[in-house]
Amino acid sequence: ETGVTQSPTHLIKTRGQQVTLRCSSQSGHNTVSWYQQALGQGPQFIFQYYREEENGRGNFPPRFSGLQFPNYSSELNVNALELDDSALYLCASSSGQSRYGYTFGSGTRLTVV
Amino acid sequence: TQLLEQSPQFLSIQEGENLTVYCNSSSVFSSLQWYRQEPGEGPVLLVTVVTGGEVKKLKRLTFQFGDARKDSSLHITAAQTGDTGLYLCAGPYNTDKLIFGTGTRLQVFP
Repeated sequence: ETGVTQSPTHLIKTRGQQVTLRCSSQSGHNTVSWYQQALGQGPQFIFQYYREEENGRGNFPPRFSGLQFPNYSSELNVNALELDDSALYLCASSSGQSRYGYTFGSGTRLTVV
Repeated sequence: TQLLEQSPQFLSIQEGENLTVYCNSSSVFSSLQWYRQEPGEGPVLLVTVVTGGEVKKLKRLTFQFGDARKDSSLHITAAQTGDTGLYLCAGPYNTDKLIFGTGTRLQVFP
């Protein structure tokens, strides 16, 4: 079975631009969660998608949006990029209850200049 | 406000030493998980503890869930350089969304 794949691995954008990050979930997993991780800190929950619907959101502004597709892959879109958006963005897939653990991708390192 | 606080934030030790990392909260969690993250990679699940007072062992790593299910600890015996990484506790919150602790960065020197 394949794991979680994220693309691109690294990205540099200019302040004010828009970015789309992609995630292919692990086979058999129907839930995708996105996290933002600053260097040396724990991941912060952005939102979760289940069966193509947003299923919970953390403390992030509306310019952070997402999609989940019928094959359970997902996108994270960020509009009007700010310098503070520079971080590692992690995608995690799961098959249901969080107590069974999440499988994470290697992340996309976004740098906003 | 961070729901899960980890201590210490940084830990630098030599091979062979023992260490303990703590994860504390004022909230009750139905379960807690521990992950390890290496540079350039996503977190990898080490263990899930579910029952208050539960102790789980994974080779040299011992995990304990507090009796009141508000805290957890990770103890490493005879640390090795391969244990170096960022250790994260995590728990389900607000209809089962997984939230993470502040992280403990461990560096083990030969």
